[in-house]
Amino acid sequence: AQRVTQPEKLLSVFKGAPVELKCNYSYSGSPELFWYVQYSRQRLQLLLRHISRESIKGFTADLNKGETSFHLKKPFAQEEDSAMYYCALSPLHSGNTPLVFGKGTRLSVIA
Amino acid sequence: DAGVTQSPTHLIKTRGQQVTLRCSPKSGHDTVSWYQQALGQGPQFIFQYYEEEERQRGNFPDRFSGHQFPNYSSELNVNALLLGDSALYLCASSLRGQRNTEAFFGQGTRLTVV
Repeated sequence: AQRVTQPEKLLSVFKGAPVELKCNYSYSGSPELFWYVQYSRQRLQLLLRHISRESIKGFTADLNKGETSFHLKKPFAQEEDSAMYYCALSPLHSGNTPLVFGKGTRLSVIA
Repeated sequence: DAGVTQSPTHLIKTRGQQVTLRCSPKSGHDTVSWYQQALGQGPQFIFQYYEEEERQRGNFPDRFSGHQFPNYSSELNVNALLLGDSALYLCASSLRGQRNTEAFFGQGTRLTVV
């Protein structure tokens, strides 16, 4: 069965401090991993996906198949990063296969 | 492009009633997926529609049903509402056949069952 685990419900960091939001997954095949973000009063939106290997808003995430992890990192947190972050999984190159989401981590950046 | 639009934004229903939620996909998208997001949880897949047929279904009872129209818009119907059906219902649209398609989400419909 596919499963995504985000161990932290809430993560509070000071502005300028490094951020790491943890995500572990369970999947027998080749997964594609995503991070979605939901800012206050806005819709859920894609932040980044591992196949793109992009850095979005200073965030990066590396897929570690050995540790089955896809942690989200940013070297210097900004107040505008405060939001709800969801890690999600689908089979690699599956096109329209539905996403399996974790329960989410609320990031609070303190000024 | 208004993106994915859902209506209504909020809804209050009584236990046992039936409800219909609506979704218009992003322009150019042909596939609609519905998710249920209970308080404190991540979105959970309900079902997906493409070419007016249900293509995939998550672990939800038959009380949850849907429909897709020729213009790709979609409805989610829930019968015999239970208190536990109270949640945010999200619609996501995407383009089938596109290898690395991205799912775009609507703002959601907040359903409260009393």
